[in-house]
Amino acid sequence: QVELVQSGPEVVKPGASVRVSCRVSGDTFLNDGISWVRLVPGRGLEWLGWISVSTGKADYGPKVKGRVSLNTNADTNTAYMEVWSVTSDDTAIYYCGRLPRDSSRRTPENEPMYFYYMDVWGSGTKVTVAP
Amino acid sequence: QAALTQPPSVSGAPGERVTISCTGNSSNIGADYAVHWYQKHPETAPKLLIISDASHPSGVSGRFSWSKSGTSGFMAITGLQADDEADYFCQSYDSNVHGAVFGGGTTLTVL
Repeated sequence: QVELVQSGPEVVKPGASVRVSCRVSGDTFLNDGISWVRLVPGRGLEWLGWISVSTGKADYGPKVKGRVSLNTNADTNTAYMEVWSVTSDDTAIYYCGRLPRDSSRRTPENEPMYFYYMDVWGSGTKVTVAP
Repeated sequence: QAALTQPPSVSGAPGERVTISCTGNSSNIGADYAVHWYQKHPETAPKLLIISDASHPSGVSGRFSWSKSGTSGFMAITGLQADDEADYFCQSYDSNVHGAVFGGGTTLTVL
């Protein structure tokens, strides 16, 4: 079955950057979209962004736009999320999730489109920002 | 502050029915975008529970159902069981954000 395995917990200092990985198995990685969200106590789930593995195109959430970068490596079936200039507000559990491809739709540029829900989730990576 | 508004908590006795609401606006739920629901137990990752406008994901009980009206989505759970005690999150797409929006989550307590 499809499985997403994330990298281990991170403790980073304010102002630093952190990168989380998400390795996908049991699936054709190039068919996927990957979404990233974080769970913050008291604030619920926040959408950080998503990326099309086949095209590399990404969209980013408003709270982290300009501080987050998403990319993928099809050779290792791994997606990456990097956040820089972190503050205590970035302390959270970060999750990756698969966006299944919507085969019935294409963009005007004939690129793949995806359903907006995350049907398989990674186990989560706890990121703590502390001095 | 979450883009979609959910009640912080709901509760019910075993066997009862509970409903959780999820309220957005004209750029997400009100624009007829689907509302999806996730269940999260402590120390585990969220799990897709309901795909709006589609059949349940494999393994999900038919006790969970959804509806939508105007700018709100709803999830109902019938025949409450102890294992239903969890946090529930709604999600939609927002045309202003050009991405996903989530609710703040609702904690369900089975009395």
